[in-house]
Amino acid sequence: NAGVTQTPKFRILKIGQSMTLQCTQDMNHNYMYWYRQDPGMGLKLIYYSVGAGITDKGEVPNGYNVSRSTTEDFPLRLELAAPSQTSVYFCASSLTAYNEQFFGPGTRLTVL
Amino acid sequence: ILNVEQSPQSLHVQEGDSTNFTCSFPSSNFYALHWYRWETAKSPEALFVMTLNGDEKKKGRISATLNTKEGYSYLYIKGSQPEDSATYLCAFRSNTNAGKSTFGDGTTLTVKP
Repeated sequence: NAGVTQTPKFRILKIGQSMTLQCTQDMNHNYMYWYRQDPGMGLKLIYYSVGAGITDKGEVPNGYNVSRSTTEDFPLRLELAAPSQTSVYFCASSLTAYNEQFFGPGTRLTVL
Repeated sequence: ILNVEQSPQSLHVQEGDSTNFTCSFPSSNFYALHWYRWETAKSPEALFVMTLNGDEKKKGRISATLNTKEGYSYLYIKGSQPEDSATYLCAFRSNTNAGKSTFGDGTTLTVKP
């Protein structure tokens, strides 16, 4: 099992550009999450999904979009990148809401 | 927005010391509380899943307790070792929306040899 994989590992964007952060899990987990981690802060939930076709906003959804067309994949789309979106992004998955989350390795994004 | 607070923010101890830190969360609508360990340059890894008031979990020298009625959980590390140095996060889920997980900002533990 690869677990949770994320691509890319690093990316530099210019202000106004768009990109998609990819996340895939091979554990057949129903729940998937996107978090951002800003320096000196904990993890803030951007979006989450409780199953294919179902997504909902977290604490900090503005400037992002998600989709969940399959159980395995949960891409995060940044439209019109802004410097405030400079952060480390983590994708995670869990079997149910009770179960622990498994995290991907993270994507470090810089917007200049 | 749910308020999940961890204290202290950071802790420096000597090897062999025992230590503990706190996660505070809303005392109503409890669903689950998770503890994670986050080493520098790695991803968070789960330590404990706590779901019932009075839960006590243990893994080696690390243990955790849960009080859902008063809204807190304690994490204890007995005989700290340098390899315990990490940030410890708690994550709270409410039964009003169990799919949404709210993390505290973490307690960063540094254990000096």
